[in-house]
Amino acid sequence: EDKVVQSPLSLVVHEGDTVTLNCSYEVTNFRSLLWYKQEKKAPTFLFMLTSSGIEKKSGRLSSILDKKELFSILNITATQTGDSAVYLCAVDQGAQKLVFGQGTRLTINP
Amino acid sequence: DAGVTQSPTHLIKTRGQQVTLRCSPKSGHDTVSWYQQALGQGPQFIFQYYEEEERQRGNFPDRFSGHQFPNYSSELNVNALLLGDSALYLCASSLPMGWEALYNEQFFGPGTRLTVL
Repeated sequence: EDKVVQSPLSLVVHEGDTVTLNCSYEVTNFRSLLWYKQEKKAPTFLFMLTSSGIEKKSGRLSSILDKKELFSILNITATQTGDSAVYLCAVDQGAQKLVFGQGTRLTINP
Repeated sequence: DAGVTQSPTHLIKTRGQQVTLRCSPKSGHDTVSWYQQALGQGPQFIFQYYEEEERQRGNFPDRFSGHQFPNYSSELNVNALLLGDSALYLCASSLPMGWEALYNEQFFGPGTRLTVL
């Protein structure tokens, strides 16, 4: 059975801290790995990763993929209260059929 | 550009009833996917429509069916509702792509919150 597992499920930190969110996967078909941020309802796209070892970066967020060990991490540095959200990891199995993890709920306290 | 829109926002039904949820894709998008997100879980892929046909399907029973119209909008129908069908139903749209093409970003709508009593 295809599965994507995220850890931790919940994380509470103080503003300014750095956090690392984990995503491991076991799927029959892999085309890419994606990270989304879900604040209220609609997930918004953060990163797409297809190659191992190449870091994607956007401001304070960065992500990397290890296709040998089948995992990815999402780093957020100098966290802000606006980073509070559920972060979803998903694997695209082809033609945009996404298998999602259960998400990590991140809470940033001022 | 209105982005992906969904209606209704919220819906309350009772067990055994039938429900229809609607989705209008982002302008220029012709592929629509539907996901079910139970409370505290990640979204689960229900099915995908392209050129008015179901192109891919996840592990959902036949009670879940859909349709895509010539203007690319889509409906999700659920028959014989169960308590376990209570969830946020998300629609996502994307640009045309072939099976071998790289990922085209999927834009998600705000969802329809379905409660089954």
